[in-house]
Amino acid sequence: DGGITQSPKYLFRKEGQNVTLSCEQNLNHDAMYWYRQDPGQGLRLIYYSQIVNDFQKGDIAEGYSVSREKKESFPLTVTSAQKNPTAFYLCASSTRRDQNQPQHFGDGTRLSIL
Amino acid sequence: GQNIDQPTEMTATEGAIVQINCTYQTSGFNGLFWYQQHAGEAPTFLSYNVLDGLEEKGRFSSFLSRSKGYSYLLLKELQMKDSASYLCAVRGDNSGNTPLVFGKGTRLSVIA
Repeated sequence: DGGITQSPKYLFRKEGQNVTLSCEQNLNHDAMYWYRQDPGQGLRLIYYSQIVNDFQKGDIAEGYSVSREKKESFPLTVTSAQKNPTAFYLCASSTRRDQNQPQHFGDGTRLSIL
Repeated sequence: GQNIDQPTEMTATEGAIVQINCTYQTSGFNGLFWYQQHAGEAPTFLSYNVLDGLEEKGRFSSFLSRSKGYSYLLLKELQMKDSASYLCAVRGDNSGNTPLVFGKGTRLSVIA
């Protein structure tokens, strides 16, 4: 079945450590996105990529980095510069063909600080 | 700027009808989406409106008024499994590649 796979489901980070969240899709979608969700805050955009080897900052990019070397993959690194990383991270993808196409989401990664 | 407002919480009774409102002020508009999100899970797509009027899909309907910057999601014959957060999101331009701007979501509790 086609879909978006995020791993791991739960992740713990030590102080000063960088961690990488994986996102893979087999929907042949052009665009991929990373959102952060905190209680009562809705979804906030971290980074997005519309084509391979290109990406743009979202509203809260500080302390995060991404890469888009393959169409299927869009990993997110939470760096030690992100002082409050505890949140639910959601990856999404969409096709550019039609404006009525929704974004499809992975099951999320819950990140906590040890 | 981009601003999307929804009520934070709502409670409704099993079998009843509930209307969740969403108002938006965005720099562009090319469609409004509603998603359902159960606690700890991914959002799932419910409906899409780009023209004024009502779109019906089974127990769920969504309405849009572009001139008023207003939408609502109507849920009929409420079931306990409808307890979830409902997210309103706007697409600003006419490409499927553009990120959606999300409201903070409305947490709906369905009680017996």
